[in-house]
Amino acid sequence: DSGVTQTPKHLITATGQRVTLRCSPRSGDLSVYWYQQSLDQGLQFLIQYYNGEERAKGNILERFSAQQFPDLHSELNLSSLELGDSALYFCASTTAPGTGELFFGEGSRLTVL
Amino acid sequence: AQTVTQSQPEMSVQEAETVTLSCTYDTSESDYYLFWYKQPPSRQMILVIRQEAYKQQNATENRFSVNFQKAAKSFSLKISDSQLGDAAMYFCAYRRSNTGKLIFGQGTTLQVKP
Repeated sequence: DSGVTQTPKHLITATGQRVTLRCSPRSGDLSVYWYQQSLDQGLQFLIQYYNGEERAKGNILERFSAQQFPDLHSELNLSSLELGDSALYFCASTTAPGTGELFFGEGSRLTVL
Repeated sequence: AQTVTQSQPEMSVQEAETVTLSCTYDTSESDYYLFWYKQPPSRQMILVIRQEAYKQQNATENRFSVNFQKAAKSFSLKISDSQLGDAAMYFCAYRRSNTGKLIFGQGTTLQVKP
């Protein structure tokens, strides 16, 4: 158990809909990262938050948004969903200084029909 | 921009044998971290081993060891005495600093044959 909690574990929805994925980082971790893992694209970095502020942005679509709340949990909002958004969405957290690695949640599997 | 390349989409090894997974990376930084993560069918991302670039000694964790060649920007993973439970997707990853994002390679699927 990494200590990072993601909900829901599985989500099935229709095109055009909006979903919210939630992540609770490890206790004490200030940094939260979101990654998307599609079948054919490996793990793509979406966005990073540090103590409530956006720190870095990757290949995140404009239809997607995220935030980190004062209690350090984070939410990833996906709107106007398309079939191609079907993927496994991982949240990871870490602390600095630390040993460098990111600790991953079990992921949220999104299926868009 | 930093990149990570895993040139072996699939590898297979006989149980109890040794296998090496390759990884190369590109960076202009001198201080960074390198990792191997394992992703079994459960899809959980599990850290296998880490290497700090400033350390010349290769990291070792039980049956897992790395060959870190900083000048060549190479970071291979050796799995000794392979076990059936080692079958998984393995990702090489780079992190520029203690506050940066992880950049992943495309992954290598390892099959372990009994």
